[in-house]
Amino acid sequence: NAGVTQTPKFQVLKTGQSMTLQCAQDMNHNSMYWYRQDPGMGLRLIYYSASEGTTDKGEVPNGYNVSRLNKREFSLRLESAAPSQTSVYFCASSPGSLYNEQFFGPGTRLTVL
Amino acid sequence: QKEVEQDPGPLSVPEGAIVSLNCTYSNSAFQYFMWYRQYSRKGPELLMYTYSSGNKEDGRFTAQVDKSSKYISLFIRDSQPSDSATYLCAMSAGTGRRALTFGSGTRLQVQP
Repeated sequence: NAGVTQTPKFQVLKTGQSMTLQCAQDMNHNSMYWYRQDPGMGLRLIYYSASEGTTDKGEVPNGYNVSRLNKREFSLRLESAAPSQTSVYFCASSPGSLYNEQFFGPGTRLTVL
Repeated sequence: QKEVEQDPGPLSVPEGAIVSLNCTYSNSAFQYFMWYRQYSRKGPELLMYTYSSGNKEDGRFTAQVDKSSKYISLFIRDSQPSDSATYLCAMSAGTGRRALTFGSGTRLQVQP
């Protein structure tokens, strides 16, 4: 099993450009999440999807949109990138147990110039 | 004030030392607690999870929860250079959307 995979690994954008970060999991998990990680800020939830067909905002959703394409795939879109969106983005999935333990992908390092 | 506080370190110890990593939290609804290890430029990796108060042991790692003090700890015995990483605590109330709230992480360096 590959677990959680993310593409691309690295990306450099200019202000105003758009892009989509892709995430897929092969663990048959119901829930999927997008986080950003910034120095000293820890992991902050952007959006999550409790199950296929549902999405909901997290702590820092402004400037982002998501699509839960099917049970395996959950994408994050930046419509008009800003330098404040320079960060490392992690996708995670969870089986939906009471603990809500989450399993993370390797991350995408995004720089917006 | 953050819901979960964690000393960022770095914490530097010699190989073989016992390491204590800690988090404090303010939300009394938290009852599920997790520790993640994150190597440089990698994704967080789940190490251990515990429910409510008490201890849980897994090899060289022991997780401890004191709900009355809102304080959780991760102990690493016989620390190895390969334990050098950032350790993140995470917790959830187990209700509602059951999102995890993370500490900002403590960077550990084990010197050979």
